[in-house]
Amino acid sequence: GAVVSQHPSWVICKSGTSVKIECRSLDFQATTMFWYRQFPKQSLMLMATSNEGSKATYEQGVEKDKFLINHASLTLSTLTVTSAHPEDSSFYICSARVSGRIYEQYFGPGTRLTVT
Amino acid sequence: KQEVTQIPAALSVPEGENLVLNCSFTDSAIYNLQWFRQDPGKGLTSLLLIQSSQREQTSGRLNASLDKSSGRSTLYIAASQPGDSATYLCAGGSNYKLTFGKGTLLTVNP
Repeated sequence: GAVVSQHPSWVICKSGTSVKIECRSLDFQATTMFWYRQFPKQSLMLMATSNEGSKATYEQGVEKDKFLINHASLTLSTLTVTSAHPEDSSFYICSARVSGRIYEQYFGPGTRLTVT
Repeated sequence: KQEVTQIPAALSVPEGENLVLNCSFTDSAIYNLQWFRQDPGKGLTSLLLIQSSQREQTSGRLNASLDKSSGRSTLYIAASQPGDSATYLCAGGSNYKLTFGKGTLLTVNP
């Protein structure tokens, strides 16, 4: 149980284009999902907290207009990187929190984004 | 603001050796401490989760301890194997968020 999937697992896009990454909780409902970014040989940095049906809360220094987050259902959150640039190339990982269990997160397998 | 530090950054050991990875955190108000494994280019695999009311958790050859008063956690790996080679991350849960350390890159040599 508590499986989280991400799609796509990897994507290459050209500079200036937008890319959407999906995060799904497969066997549970998640009122809250988190988006992290991980640069090579660095740790995971929380980008934003996404709550179903409301606006995401972004961490300091994360551009909300560049990283659009939508959490339209209890099993799906999407992250759209708008007008991507090479410096946005990174490993993006989502996690989901089981409704009613606020202290546990389950992680997706990650999405490797390369912007050329 | 929670800060998590892991020492050492990298560790290389011969197969069969017992080893300890260290994690320290600044906010003692954490409600749990998790240890994860990450293989190159892959996502996270949860290894152990210690609730704030617990002192340790064990799973197979892994044992994790938590000392909130000193702001420390350790991950003990017994009888290490080459398959244990990976990056190990610890993360402290506080304020409904997880804060990650930079990880320890473990290499177990056959």
